[in-house]
Amino acid sequence: EPEVTQTPSHQVTQMGQEVILRCVPISNHLYFYWYRQILGQKVEFLVSFYNNEISEKSEIFDDQFSVERPDGSNFTLKIRSTKLEDSAMYFCASSPRQSYNEQFFGPGTRLTVL
Amino acid sequence: GDSVTQMEGPVTLSEEAFLTINCTYTATGYPSLFWYVQYPGEGLQLLLKATKADDKGSNKGFEATYRKETTSFHLEKGSVQVSDSAVYFCALSGRDGGSQGNLIFGKGTKLSVKP
Repeated sequence: EPEVTQTPSHQVTQMGQEVILRCVPISNHLYFYWYRQILGQKVEFLVSFYNNEISEKSEIFDDQFSVERPDGSNFTLKIRSTKLEDSAMYFCASSPRQSYNEQFFGPGTRLTVL
Repeated sequence: GDSVTQMEGPVTLSEEAFLTINCTYTATGYPSLFWYVQYPGEGLQLLLKATKADDKGSNKGFEATYRKETTSFHLEKGSVQVSDSAVYFCALSGRDGGSQGNLIFGKGTKLSVKP
């Protein structure tokens, strides 16, 4: 069964460093998403991506964040200058269609900013 | 804005006990409602969904009914198993306004089932 994969599973970085979190969505899906979950808090929407551009982003997704689909398979989330409060589990998801349908999630990347 | 509230955990039950995890929502328009489950070390998996009022989603013995009058989508299972131990997330996806496609989650409820 096709699945969303994410790498790395755990990333440790120093404050101020850039990190890139990688995701490989399911191959025939068209909509891609990033969510994050700070320990003990809700899963929060960050950004959605369709047709090679951002379709929606939350207030969390400020200028420090960017997303890219550099080739036909990868979908990346870059944090330019990490802050302590960026420490969280980051989930990638993909969907064949928008909105009312199932989003398929990856296992997550745990980001720890020291 | 749209939001989801679900009961705080953790919930600890004995095998074969009845499970209810409460979920209520606030939304404009007519959202779709979902329950996702996260087993240890894995990603979020869709457990069940309902897209309109009075729909009942069901899967693996779990059920939830979309109740518009009470804005609720409570998760139930008649007889839980140890293998049901996981974190359960209630979520909605808006149809109107700004939330086109992104999911809004509750905090999650951790369920532990003892043999």
